[in-house]
Amino acid sequence: GQSLEQPSEVTAVEGAIVQINCTYQTSGFYGLSWYQQHDGGAPTFLSYNALDGLEETGRFSSFLSRSDSYGYLLLQELQMKDSASYFCAVGNFNKFYFGSGTKLNVKP
Amino acid sequence: DAGVIQSPRHEVTEMGQEVTLRCKPISGHNSLFWYRQTMMRGLELLIYFNNNVPIDDSGMPEDRFSAKMPNASFSTLKIQPSEPRDSAVYFCASSLLGQTYEQYFGPGTRLTVT
Repeated sequence: GQSLEQPSEVTAVEGAIVQINCTYQTSGFYGLSWYQQHDGGAPTFLSYNALDGLEETGRFSSFLSRSDSYGYLLLQELQMKDSASYFCAVGNFNKFYFGSGTKLNVKP
Repeated sequence: DAGVIQSPRHEVTEMGQEVTLRCKPISGHNSLFWYRQTMMRGLELLIYFNNNVPIDDSGMPEDRFSAKMPNASFSTLKIQPSEPRDSAVYFCASSLLGQTYEQYFGPGTRLTVT
């Protein structure tokens, strides 16, 4: 099976930078995805890393290192609306797994 | 363009009753997923279809759960008989074939079994 580990909760202040790490024990997967979920809402896709390195999308960036079985989501210029849960996920052609999620609390 | 549509949004039923959850994926998406989310177990993949064919149903908890996808625009998840431990939010998601890393989720169905 797959195992993805994320911190359960992170707190940061508005305007700051926060990094959410994800480590995994898997093989044969084809990339690392990140999803955001606000309380009471559905997960929404944020980013995908097919290759090692950094992918940047606005205030959010995501990084993958396959050799270290590690990835992270970097959120810059934090805003109150970024308070949500963030999930990393991996998959291959017939399986898909989500991590347990990291609850991000952004304080004024 | 409409997103993934799920119905009902909320369902309250008594133990032992049959429950049917419905999903309409995004038009053109050929992969469809059913998930269950609870505080204790997080987000679990129940079953995954490609082109209406079940690819992986190893996440289906037990025989009380069944899922069908009779055509590209409709899927159902049925629980019969329901039990209180089935109480959860059930999400349906869809993606383009081969791009399962980018899934689009429906609003979910909040199921309460009393």
